Amino acid sequence: SAVISQKPSRDICQRGTSLTIQCQVDSQVTMMFWYRQQPGQSLTLIATANQGSEATYESGFVIDKFPISRPNLTFSTLTVSNMSPEDSSIYLCSVDGAEQFFGPGTRLTVL
Amino acid sequence: DAKTTQPPSMDCAEGRAANLPCNHSTISGNEYVYWYRQIHSQGPQYIIHGLKNNETNEMASLIITEDRKSSTLILPHATLRDTAVYYCIVSYNDMRFGAGTRLTVKP
Repeated sequence: SAVISQKPSRDICQRGTSLTIQCQVDSQVTMMFWYRQQPGQSLTLIATANQGSEATYESGFVIDKFPISRPNLTFSTLTVSNMSPEDSSIYLCSVDGAEQFFGPGTRLTVL
Repeated sequence: DAKTTQPPSMDCAEGRAANLPCNHSTISGNEYVYWYRQIHSQGPQYIIHGLKNNETNEMASLIITEDRKSSTLILPHATLRDTAVYYCIVSYNDMRFGAGTRLTVKP
């Protein structure tokens, strides 16, 4: 099983600012995924990040708002740009495998 | 874009088996059935998955109908710590979550 860590675990930010969330895996993985979970809701896939190529975004999510980096096979970042209170959510990263494992999440509050 | 239908909530008595149904009538031939659960906004926890055959592990059993259009997750002896939202997902390589079933295990 893969062990996934995320930083920060939580943050409170002012509107108009940006936050970069880091996801670190203890083994090399091909695909990494970023999800958003709004309060009281299920998880929504934001994008898939493959090493060496541009991330693939789901409908409703754009690169300018959620830029993603994937510099190597164990690390990825998601930036939430120009934040508004509607961006207040838990952001989770995940990695592929026979069992898709999830990180603990980053709880973001935008004031 | 979830391709599954689950009851929004279920209750189960502690120590009894919890049977959680899932309909996935549009499942494709190469898609697996996965089950995850999420306890109190922690990251989702993998439970079990299968393609055609029934599967069992230390956590649960997965029963898939012969036509693969529905499945049932069975927690054989539910405990209070099994209270969570349970998600049934059909997928080939990425997980897309529906609303899930909120299971409450009661003493």
